[in-house]
Amino acid sequence: GAVVSQHPSWVICKSGTSVKIECRSLDFQATTMFWYRQFPKQSLMLMATSNEGSKATYEQGVEKDKFLINHASLTLSTLTVTSAHPEDSSFYICSARRAGGPETQYFGPGTRLLVL
Amino acid sequence: GENVEQHPSTLSVQEGDSAVIKCTYSDSASNYFPWYKQELGKRPQLIIDIRSNVGEKKDQRIAVTLNKTAKHFSLHITETQPEDSAVYFCAATLYSGAGSYQLTFGKGTKLSVIP
Repeated sequence: GAVVSQHPSWVICKSGTSVKIECRSLDFQATTMFWYRQFPKQSLMLMATSNEGSKATYEQGVEKDKFLINHASLTLSTLTVTSAHPEDSSFYICSARRAGGPETQYFGPGTRLLVL
Repeated sequence: GENVEQHPSTLSVQEGDSAVIKCTYSDSASNYFPWYKQELGKRPQLIIDIRSNVGEKKDQRIAVTLNKTAKHFSLHITETQPEDSAVYFCAATLYSGAGSYQLTFGKGTKLSVIP
């Protein structure tokens, strides 16, 4: 299989705090991981592409200093939402592509962030 | 960059009928087209995919067709069941260099299968 996990699944925090979300590929190595954001009843919007051992590539309009991405190993990428504000409340989903594999992306279960 | 249009945004069908969801893409270099099913609050699940060297692919009640010339691809679900109710997303994949592929999603179709 191709299992991707995310932790935590739910976060409620106060405005101004930082939140770290982990994305792990459990049974395969992932050279590339992707971070998406999904608002209610909307599609998945790519925020950034994370490559192991190098800097993430951010999509236009996504603040790299606000959404820090680290991809330190072939099975783990982290997204840190710094100084979170209510408008950052959303569903954050990661996906992973097998190292050396086809283009198929396997998604994590998502993390629902609520900033009060 | 790639742009993917998906129609309809909502679709209601009677149980047992067929459902068709259509997508178009803009970049002729896109070469891989997955379809994902997402139930409320859950992760998108890959249900079928097609590559640009194939015109049609079928997996039990689900089929996907691709017209490269027209840059259209469609999802067909036959003999729909209530458990098919979900949001379906099409996507187009473009090679973005250095071994990296980028998915661009359509806006989604909410399918409701009425028992």
